[in-house]
Amino acid sequence: GAVVSQHPSRVICKSGTSVKIECRSLDFQATTMFWYRQFPKQSLMLMATSNEGSKATYEQGVEKDKFLINHASLTLSTLTVTSAHPEDSSFYICSAWGGETQYFGPGTRLLVL
Amino acid sequence: GENVEQHPSTLSVQEGDSAVIKCTYSDSASNYFPWYKQELGKGPQLIIDIRSNVGEKKDQRIAVTLNKTAKHFSLHITETQPEDSAVYFCAASNQAGTALIFGKGTTLSVSS
Repeated sequence: GAVVSQHPSRVICKSGTSVKIECRSLDFQATTMFWYRQFPKQSLMLMATSNEGSKATYEQGVEKDKFLINHASLTLSTLTVTSAHPEDSSFYICSAWGGETQYFGPGTRLLVL
Repeated sequence: GENVEQHPSTLSVQEGDSAVIKCTYSDSASNYFPWYKQELGKGPQLIIDIRSNVGEKKDQRIAVTLNKTAKHFSLHITETQPEDSAVYFCAASNQAGTALIFGKGTTLSVSS
């Protein structure tokens, strides 16, 4: 089936630095990708919808200047957490529709010290 | 917007028993209902899905039923095995290409 990859799988950074997470659709093109955040023992919460060639759409309560999304090609979307703080520590997961099914990446564990 | 409720939050069964997880949705326009299995530290994996034009779908030990009138759908796992232990999420969307709205998840534990 369709495959979505993420890089890195795990990142540790200091407070105040920026971290970039990549999401790639490996065998299909995706004009739209989605970014979710998952805190421990909780469900996936949609952060934003990434649109190829246009601005991302953010969910209510998600700061667009803090979570920068770039969808520069049909197979790559990036999420940059700017000026990261410990409360941004979480599991970030991207997804994309491959045909009629939505596939998820393996997730990126972010730890901000 | 859509709201998905999922029950129970935890479920413990003996190996070989059946497990049932139920979800309700609020948006009558929703027409796609996938179920995902998530193991610790990994992304969700699709295990089965159903669209609103059918009432039931089965894949080996896993089945999903949908009641559009009542706006609820259920996951059925028969002959459970220890490797079925994981967190299961239901989700809903109203058209292909849009984001999924997830339930809060069910932690299934299968003891041998």
